[in-house]
Amino acid sequence: DTAVSQTPKYLVTQMGNDKSIKCEQNLGHDTMYWYKQDSKKFLKIMFSYNNKELIINETVPNRFSPKSPDKAHLNLHINSLELGDSAVYFCASSLRQGGPYEQYFGPGTRLTVT
Amino acid sequence: AQSVTQLGSHVSVSEGALVLLRCNYSSSVPPYLFWYVQYPNQGLQLLLKYTSAATLVKGINGFEAEFKKSETSFHLTKPSAHMSDAAEYFCAVTDSGNTPLVFGKGTRLSVIA
Repeated sequence: DTAVSQTPKYLVTQMGNDKSIKCEQNLGHDTMYWYKQDSKKFLKIMFSYNNKELIINETVPNRFSPKSPDKAHLNLHINSLELGDSAVYFCASSLRQGGPYEQYFGPGTRLTVT
Repeated sequence: AQSVTQLGSHVSVSEGALVLLRCNYSSSVPPYLFWYVQYPNQGLQLLLKYTSAATLVKGINGFEAEFKKSETSFHLTKPSAHMSDAAEYFCAVTDSGNTPLVFGKGTRLSVIA
C-alpha cells in the first residue's frame, strides 16, 4: 500500500492554464504539506495543513491555492500557470506538526509549463 | 531563523570507501535534525533523525550521523559505500514549534566502481 500518493505523476500544460494536483495519505497523519523542488533540487515548503487547518503559508503567489477536504487529502490548485511554475511538487505528511515527527513524502508530480 | 548548510554540492567516492556528507545547522533553540535521501525520480525517504536522545544516531542502509552541539554539525557517514548509495542527500532542521522543516541545498553522492 502506498503511504503518500500523488496524481498525476507528470503534468505538461501551457501557460495560462489552470491545473490541480491531488495528494492522499493513508497513514492516519494529522499534518500534510506541499513542497516545491526546483531544477537545482532546492526544496522549499509552500503550505502546511494540520487537521484540515492551514498552518503554514509561505511566500507563494496567490495563484496557488491548497484545499484539504479531509485529514487524508491535500490538493493543490494552480491558476494561470507561468513558465516559472515548472518544478517537481511533493506532497508529504507527518503524524503531528513540527518537532521530531518525520515527514513521509509522495513520489512527486513533475509539472512542465510550456 | 533556522538554516542548514551542506558543504559540497557533489561528493564522489569509490565503492567500498568511507562516505562523509557534511551538514552544519543554525538554530537559536535545540534543534531536531534529519537526513533524507532522494533516489532519481523518487520522493524523499528518511535516513535518520536526531531528537535530543543519543548524539550518535543510526539509520537505515548502514548510515549514521553524530550530533555535535559545539560544532553545530550533524554529518552523515557510512563506512563502506555501495553503488546503490548513489543519490541526492538532504539535511534538514526544525524545532519543537510550528517552524517548518528547512532543507539544505542537497549533496549529490556518486559512487565509482
